[in-house]
Amino acid sequence: GAVVSQHPSRVICKSGTSVKIECRSLDFQATTMFWYRQFPKQSLMLMATSNEGSKATYEQGVEKDKFLINHASLTLSTLTVTSAHPEDSSFYICSASPSGGDTQYFGPGTRLTVL
Amino acid sequence: DQQVKQNSPSLSVQEGRISILNCDYTNSMFDYFLWYKKYPAEGPTFLISISSIKDKNEDGRFTVFLNKSAKHLSLHIVPSQPGDSAVYFCAASATGTYKYIFGTGTRLKVLA
Repeated sequence: GAVVSQHPSRVICKSGTSVKIECRSLDFQATTMFWYRQFPKQSLMLMATSNEGSKATYEQGVEKDKFLINHASLTLSTLTVTSAHPEDSSFYICSASPSGGDTQYFGPGTRLTVL
Repeated sequence: DQQVKQNSPSLSVQEGRISILNCDYTNSMFDYFLWYKKYPAEGPTFLISISSIKDKNEDGRFTVFLNKSAKHLSLHIVPSQPGDSAVYFCAASATGTYKYIFGTGTRLKVLA
């Protein structure tokens, strides 16, 4: 149980385009979902926290207009990287929690490469 | 400002021996600590946690020790097995936030 999927697993896009990443909890309802970013040889950095049906809470330094998060249902959250630039190339990983955040189940991650 | 640090990027251990992974933190507000294991192309999976009211928590081959005065925790794996080869992340959070701060990870390689 407690499986979280992400789609796509890898994406390559041109600079200036937008990319949408999906995060799904497959066998539980996630009241809270988290989006992280990991640069090479660095730690997972929390970008934002989203609760179903409400606006996401962004961490300091994360542009909310660039990283659009939608948590429209209890099993799906999406992260859209708008007008992507090469510096946005990173590993994006989501986690989902059935209980508000104390237990987080992680997805496999999405490798984004912006050319 | 790296609040959670794993100073050893990699560690190699012989099968059957003890693996000790270390983690240091700077924020005294942290009171809940976790270890995650990550295989390539997979997301991190929860391994073991410890609350600041304890100094040790054991689960099978895995034991986490917490030294609050030193702001240090360690994960012991005994005996180490080749299947334990993975990247191990420690993470910390403060009461009520559910915001995990992760370390940079230690790649453990258990040699058969």
